[in-house]
Amino acid sequence: GNSVTQMEGPVTLSEEAFLTINCTYTATGYPSLFWYVQYPGEGLQLLLKATKADDKGSNKGFEATYRKETTSFHLEKGSVQVSDSAVYFCALSEGGNTGFQKLVFGTGTRLLVSP
Amino acid sequence: GAVVSQHPSRVICKSGTSVKIECRSLDFQATTMFWYRQFPKQSLMLMATSNEGSKATYEQGVEKDKFLINHASLTLSTLTVTSAHPEDSSFYICSASGLRGYGYTFGSGTRLTVV
Repeated sequence: GNSVTQMEGPVTLSEEAFLTINCTYTATGYPSLFWYVQYPGEGLQLLLKATKADDKGSNKGFEATYRKETTSFHLEKGSVQVSDSAVYFCALSEGGNTGFQKLVFGTGTRLLVSP
Repeated sequence: GAVVSQHPSRVICKSGTSVKIECRSLDFQATTMFWYRQFPKQSLMLMATSNEGSKATYEQGVEKDKFLINHASLTLSTLTVTSAHPEDSSFYICSASGLRGYGYTFGSGTRLTVV
């Protein structure tokens, strides 16, 4: 079956440090890939997405590139802020981004950024 | 953008009672609704998928008689936890999708505590 594997957290960084959160996936077909962010006590918000190989999703300084050859979708940010502290989920969906297929989530990675 | 309103955000109930959680799509028609459950420090686990006007499809291991899902209209879906017990305490999140590639829009979640 489809699955998503994320690096375990928490990831602890100082403000302005470089961030990488690894995500690899196993899927049949051609999935769409997503990163969601969950702030404390809130639901999930879509951070970025990529729907085909070599696509780069970006938003709020975060980037991730869909790498089919390595089945990866690592999240990066050049300079994190305290406000980026949250839990980040990598997810995939088969059948594109139509919303008709269920999402498969990774276990989430907690990011803690200190001043 | 698409918005899903989920209520209540928090609820505490006594063991043996039932609790209803509502999700409303405010500015689009949600043809499909996904209900997830999230345990502390774990990922989201899909419980069931419902399409408007049809019976919900439950994931393996989810008791359909305990977690009643109703998706009677294109803007409202409800999850009722019947005869709740402390082990049902969790964070429940809905996700709605509509036509024409809206993708997935998440509600803000409901934290249920059964005492």
